[in-house]
Amino acid sequence: EDQVTQSPEALRLQEGESSSLNCSYTVSGLRGLFWYRQDPGKGPEFLFTLYSAGEEKEKERLKATLTKKESFLHITAPKPEDSATYLCAVLESQGNLIFGKGTKLSVKP
Amino acid sequence: DAMVIQNPRYQVTQFGKPVTLSCSQTLNHNVMYWYQQKSSQAPKLLFHYYDKDFNNEADTPDNFQSRRPNTSFCFLDIRSPGLGDAAMYLCATSRDRGLGQGHQPQHFGDGTRLSIL
Repeated sequence: EDQVTQSPEALRLQEGESSSLNCSYTVSGLRGLFWYRQDPGKGPEFLFTLYSAGEEKEKERLKATLTKKESFLHITAPKPEDSATYLCAVLESQGNLIFGKGTKLSVKP
Repeated sequence: DAMVIQNPRYQVTQFGKPVTLSCSQTLNHNVMYWYQQKSSQAPKLLFHYYDKDFNNEADTPDNFQSRRPNTSFCFLDIRSPGLGDAAMYLCATSRDRGLGQGHQPQHFGDGTRLSIL
């Protein structure tokens, strides 16, 4: 069964304290891996797409990487406005997105 | 500038009273999706339309129906809401189903939070 597992469930950081979020997956026929940011009471906002192992994407303080079994979202020197839930999703062979439960990130000033 | 718009943002209905949630898009995308998301849970796909073709997920309850009268609009109908249907309902769109090269991401609306009394 296709599955996406994110860890940790929650992460509390001080402003400027870099860290990484993990997304591990088991899926047949991976067609892409997506990272989304979700603020409370809002819909997921697209951040990155990764297609193949070794690929990396960057946006401001965020950097996403992909291996054959997992993806990492690295956050460098986070700010309070980076506080949100970060969702990972894989696009499986039938064209559906399988989401993880997310990592809730809190960044304290 | 909003591209996927859901109305209403908050909906309260009574147990067993039919309710309809609305989604519109300005992206002219072929595919529209409905997801259910409960607190601290992953979004769960209910169904999608590829153009006019409706595709139901196997575990979506019969209580949930959808209509897509044109490219821009899609509706979620819950015929007899139960307490377990209280959730955030998310609408999303994408240009295609990602079965070819260069898949474009799904774009989400801000959801409708449904409460059942």
